[in-house]
Amino acid sequence: SAVISQKPSRDICQRGTSLTIQCQVDSQVTMMFWYRQQPGQSLTLIATANQGSEATYESGFVIDKFPISRPNLTFSTLTVSNMSPEDSSIYLCSAVTGNTEAFFGQGTRLTVV
Amino acid sequence: DQQVKQNSPSLSVQEGRISILNCDYTNSMFDYFLWYKKYPAEGPTFLISISSIKDKNEDGRFTVFLNKSAKHLSLHIVPSQPGDSAVYFCAASGHNQGGKLIFGQGTELSVKP
Repeated sequence: SAVISQKPSRDICQRGTSLTIQCQVDSQVTMMFWYRQQPGQSLTLIATANQGSEATYESGFVIDKFPISRPNLTFSTLTVSNMSPEDSSIYLCSAVTGNTEAFFGQGTRLTVV
Repeated sequence: DQQVKQNSPSLSVQEGRISILNCDYTNSMFDYFLWYKKYPAEGPTFLISISSIKDKNEDGRFTVFLNKSAKHLSLHIVPSQPGDSAVYFCAASGHNQGGKLIFGQGTELSVKP
């Protein structure tokens, strides 16, 4: 298994600003992902964080809104840009090791006011 | 289009009895299924998984059953304990999906003492 640390764990932000969430894994992993869980809903995949190249975004998510970096095998960041109240969600980092089970960080609870 | 569905938003069970959580999927390309447990303010925790080549996988009190013809899987918890009270998510992945997971909406399990 992998231990995933995310920070911040929560934040309250003003609309129009941006927040960068950091994700650190304690071991080298093959794949890293970012998910969003909006209030009362399921987890939705935002993008796959690719090491050393541009992230691969799912339908409905774009790089300008959610820029992602992954400079090495154990670290990734997600930025939520130009925030609006609709961006209020829990954002989750996930990592897959050699097996197929995905492990998750504790999440970042974002409230946009 | 909800490819993974958990039609019961909540389930209440008496301590010591069996909890059965259900999940249906529509995409026949899914070949790997996972169950996660999530407490408030924490990230999802991996519980148990099953490959499409099996119809049952057991780990302690947790058993997952897969019915491929019906595109249905279920998680059995026996005996249920109050500490099992959490939201349970079913997730699915395809062998060509690179570890990306599609989640159901979740079922909130409450185990009463």
